Amino acid sequence: EIVMTQSPATLSVSPGERVTLSCRASESLNSHLAWYQQKPGQAPRLLINDASTGATGIPARFSGSGFGTEFTLTISSVQSEDSAVYYCQQYNHRPLTFGQGTKVEIK
Amino acid sequence: QVQLVESGGGVVQPGTSLKLSCAASGFSFSGYAMDWVRQAPGKGLDWVALISYDGSDVYYADSVKGRFTISRDNSKNTLYLQMNSLRSDDTAVYYCAKTTATTTSFDHWGQGTLVTVSS
Repeated sequence: EIVMTQSPATLSVSPGERVTLSCRASESLNSHLAWYQQKPGQAPRLLINDASTGATGIPARFSGSGFGTEFTLTISSVQSEDSAVYYCQQYNHRPLTFGQGTKVEIK
Repeated sequence: QVQLVESGGGVVQPGTSLKLSCAASGFSFSGYAMDWVRQAPGKGLDWVALISYDGSDVYYADSVKGRFTISRDNSKNTLYLQMNSLRSDDTAVYYCAKTTATTTSFDHWGQGTLVTVSS
C-alpha cells in the first residue's frame, strides 16, 4: 500500500498570504495525484487532478505541481473561505490512498 | 447537474449487516466507475471499494475484503454497498463518489450517510 504523508498538519495564515501544502508518496505516482478540499460538515471537493490540472469551477488561486513522489498544492492568495482541511489522494496503485490531511486556518 | 444521494445508514450492533444505496442523476451513470469512501468521526478519508462502469471489475480495501460487497444497477442508476459482519471500526460517514472520465479521482461526492456500529 502506498503511504501518503502530508505536511504540515496545521497551518495558520493571514488573508492574502501565499500557502504551500506538501504531499509525499512512498512510491512513485507519476502524475496520478489529486487534491481535495473539505469544509466542516461537507463532502470533499476536487480541486486538482493529474497533479496539476484544475477541476471545473476551481478558482485560479489554487494550483498543483509535482511528479513522482513529491507534490505541492499552492494557494496564491488565501481567502477566508479557504479555511478547510486539504487531502491528497493517489490513484496510481490500488488500494487508493489518501494523506492524513492538512488543516488550513485563517487568522 | 450531477447528484449523488446516499441512504441506508443507521445504528447497528456489531456483527450485523447493513446495505447502503446511492442514487445517481445528472450524468450517464453507466459510463463511469463508482466508489465508496468513508470517514470515521474526526478522522481522514479512507477508500473502501471501487466498481467499474459495467460492474465487471470490483476492488476492495483489505479492511473490508470478504465482508463488504459493492454492486450497481445501471438500469436504476444506483450504487450499493452491502456491509456484513460490521465492526465498531466501520463506524463512519460513507460517501459514494463518481470518478472522472480519465482518472480514479473523484469529481462528485454525495452528502454521505452515517453508519454507527455500537452495542
